[in-house]
Amino acid sequence: GESVGLHLPTLSVQEGDNSIINCAYSNSASDYFIWYKQESGKGPQFIIDIRSNMDKRQGQRVTVLLNKTVKHLSLQIAATQPGDSAVYFCAESGGATNKLIFGTGTLLAVQP
Amino acid sequence: EPEVTQTPSHQVTQMGQEVILRCVPISNHLYFYWYRQILGQKVEFLVSFYNNEISEKSEIFDDQFSVERPDGSNFTLKIRSTKLEDSAMYFCASSEGRWGVGKLFFGSGTQLSVL
Repeated sequence: GESVGLHLPTLSVQEGDNSIINCAYSNSASDYFIWYKQESGKGPQFIIDIRSNMDKRQGQRVTVLLNKTVKHLSLQIAATQPGDSAVYFCAESGGATNKLIFGTGTLLAVQP
Repeated sequence: EPEVTQTPSHQVTQMGQEVILRCVPISNHLYFYWYRQILGQKVEFLVSFYNNEISEKSEIFDDQFSVERPDGSNFTLKIRSTKLEDSAMYFCASSEGRWGVGKLFFGSGTQLSVL
C-alpha cells in the first residue's frame, strides 16, 4: 500500500543570517527539553537542553528559549553556516512518563 | 569523543524472520534506549533499559520485541518475527542518567528493510 510520511516544515535561510526554529510541545507537565540536530543518514545529535525552571539558555552560536505559558520552545542559531543544514527536532520529557517525546522536525536549508 | 556504535548499518530480511540489532553504548553510561524512525517521520521511543531490566516501553514495543544486555558492553534489540511495517531506521542511545539528568547520545542507526 501507499505509505504517507509527514511533510517536514522547511526553513530556508541565507548563509550568515540568524535562524529561528520553533516547536510547540504537548505536555504541560514536561520539565526538560532538548534540541537535536539530525544530518542525513545519521543519528540525532544533541545541541542544547533547558529545564523548565529557566526560560533561556545559551550555547555556542545557539540559544534556546522556553515559554511555558504557551508551551513553546525555540532554537536560535546565530550566523547560520552551510554545515547547519539538517533536520532539527525538539524533544520533551517529564511528568508521569520518562519517555523522551520528539517533535515533528524542521528542515533547515542554508543557502550559500 | 566517546560514541554509541551500532551494527550492522543496514539489515535486509524477509518477513517473518528474526533480526538482532546490536549496539555498544558509551562505556560509563547506565541507561540505554532504542528508538526508531520510519522514513520521513518522527523519532519514536521504543524502550528504555536500566539495571538489567526494562524501565519503560511504548505501545510499539510488543511481544515481538525484546532487549538484552548480554555482557558488559553490548545492548541488543531482537525482533522475533519481522513485519513489513518494522522497516525503519533503528537508533540506539545511552545516557549517564535518566532524562532530565543526562543527555542522550545516539548511534548512527541500523536501517532495517523487511521484504
